[in-house]
Amino acid sequence: SYVLTQPPSVSVAPGQTARITCGGNNIGSKSVHWYQQKPGQAPVLVVYDDSDRPSGIPERFSGSNSGNTATLTISRVEAGDEADYYCQVWDSSSDQGVFGTGTKVTVL
Amino acid sequence: QVQLQESGPGLVKPSETLSLTCTVSGGSISSYYWSWIRQPPGKGLEWIGYIYYSGSTNYNPSLKSRVTISVDTSKNQFSLKLSSVTAADTAVYYCARIRTIVGATSRWFDPWGQGTLVTVSS
Repeated sequence: SYVLTQPPSVSVAPGQTARITCGGNNIGSKSVHWYQQKPGQAPVLVVYDDSDRPSGIPERFSGSNSGNTATLTISRVEAGDEADYYCQVWDSSSDQGVFGTGTKVTVL
Repeated sequence: QVQLQESGPGLVKPSETLSLTCTVSGGSISSYYWSWIRQPPGKGLEWIGYIYYSGSTNYNPSLKSRVTISVDTSKNQFSLKLSSVTAADTAVYYCARIRTIVGATSRWFDPWGQGTLVTVSS
């Protein structure tokens, strides 16, 4: 089955930029989606199809995808961005959803 | 806007069957795919399976022998059954709508229900 690997944690100072990576074999050939999950809450979609944002998601959230790594970038980080972030792809060969291991973003 | 709400017992005994229902409001269950996802305490997300409103399904191979997902379009609901549960099945269970673009293989989950904690214990 397809495996997505994320760093367990990323720390960033307020106002700086956080970059969260998602590694997978030739992930650049797939569409990657990103979710934000705050403690005790359900995940919320923040980026879909590599770099599109749902309505209501700030422009500070952006995504890119190439080669074996997809990246979620959070610009001008705020305290409210502290959360767990998960990448996700759809493995079309097996027709199933696959989630990354998750990254905890800490705002210093 | 579409909202999803999970319901069902919060405590299930080992070896029994876990049963949950997801009620869709603010929109029709028709013409969409719907999914169940779970998250053990302190751990990551695990995709369980999906159902199309017409009834076609696909499941995570690691759970396939124990999972059944069904749909009731008249009630705008879909359901999850997981048999022979153990403590390892203790998790928050989420239901979610699957989004896709016509002609594309990409699928993502939006929106999600609030989730319901199911504990497996005697």
